[in-house]
Amino acid sequence: EAGVVQSPRYKIIEKKQPVAFWCNPISGHNTLYWYRQNLGQGPELLIRYENEEAVDDSQLPKDRFSAERLKGVDSTLKIQPAELGDSAVYLCASSSPGETEAFFGQGTRLTVV
Amino acid sequence: GQSLEQPSEVTAVEGAIVQINCTYQTSGFYGLSWYQQHDGGAPTFLSYNGLDGLEETGRFSSFLSRSDSYGYLLLQELQMKDSASYFCAVRPTGNTPLVFGKGTRLSVIA
Repeated sequence: EAGVVQSPRYKIIEKKQPVAFWCNPISGHNTLYWYRQNLGQGPELLIRYENEEAVDDSQLPKDRFSAERLKGVDSTLKIQPAELGDSAVYLCASSSPGETEAFFGQGTRLTVV
Repeated sequence: GQSLEQPSEVTAVEGAIVQINCTYQTSGFYGLSWYQQHDGGAPTFLSYNGLDGLEETGRFSSFLSRSDSYGYLLLQELQMKDSASYFCAVRPTGNTPLVFGKGTRLSVIA
């Protein structure tokens, strides 16, 4: 069974440019998370989806970040415009109902220059 | 608010035993998880404690004391491949996302 798939693995963009990250969760997992991980820190939640509904997005900087999970499967996280401080690893994770374990993708390492 | 404290770095010798502690202050508590992350890799699940006591999975064990808001991860028979970052994470309720600590970087030396 395939794990959580994210693309791209690496992205370098200039500040003020837009960027998008894509995530394909494990088949059958209703819950999808986007986390941001800064160097030397733990992952911090940006948004959580239950199927196609965003149920926890209080940590998402809505002035520049947006996310969607159409059809309750794949998800896209977008930043527009990107700032230097957005440089981080963006991790996608998924889990099934009642499961304590979350499965993470390899992440997208974003560098804003 | 939620806060988790764990040591930032630990160094141990190959073949030895190491314990990584985690204390937490959260608005609710459903369970404590541990994740391992190698440089450039994805966090991977190691163990979960929902109740007080010790959970053992091979060379790894995890302990929880809910009354002390404290847990630890115990790694035995350390191998070089165990060099990684280890994160404790709390789920405040059964229906809320994991809140992670800042991680402990474990270096295993020969």
